[in-house]
Amino acid sequence: SAVISQKPSRDICQRGTSLTIQCQVDSQVTMMFWYRQQPGQSLTLIATANQGSEATYESGFVIDKFPISRPNLTFSTLTVSNMSPEDSSIYLCSADLRAGELFFGEGSRLTVL
Amino acid sequence: AQKITQTQPGMFVQEKEAVTLDCTYDTSDQSYGLFWYKQPSSGEMIFLIYQGSYDEQNATEGRYSLNFQKARKSANLVISASQLGDSAMYFCAMQQMIKAAGNKLTFGGGTRVLVKP
Repeated sequence: SAVISQKPSRDICQRGTSLTIQCQVDSQVTMMFWYRQQPGQSLTLIATANQGSEATYESGFVIDKFPISRPNLTFSTLTVSNMSPEDSSIYLCSADLRAGELFFGEGSRLTVL
Repeated sequence: AQKITQTQPGMFVQEKEAVTLDCTYDTSDQSYGLFWYKQPSSGEMIFLIYQGSYDEQNATEGRYSLNFQKARKSANLVISASQLGDSAMYFCAMQQMIKAAGNKLTFGGGTRVLVKP
């Protein structure tokens, strides 16, 4: 099974700052996905990141707030911009390998003060 | 739109006993996949088991089995011989198989399981 690593694993951030989360997959994948899990909630898809094209955002999420990069087939970044306490969440990336194999990174737990 | 429902917000189970976690789904798609993930307090999402909509046999992975009833649109997870380390949140998720959009997941609300010694 593929290994997906994320960093940072956790961070405490000040209001108004931005933080970039990195996601590395140990094999080439077509699609990568970014999810948000607010405290006590389930996971919600933020966007789908395709290599070589702009990310596709879900309803309620916009590129200015969550810019995403996908420079190659093994790597993606998600930036949480101009953070507020409401952005305190676990952010998870996942990679689409093939049918029945959709794994997640360890998650990045962000606390915004 | 797809919807996943987990009706049990929390459950207690005695160590070494089996537990069934409910999951029902709603979709108009003919082709889809169903996943179960475990999320311990550390926050990582651990893949447990997968069932494709065209799979005729119920999926099994060690102590995990998926009771797939397509006509009833249910995909319950059965954990046999519960262990203390099974205490965690469990999420059911459905995978849309849209070529252009990738196989993104829609998650249920989760069930918290606490295994008692």
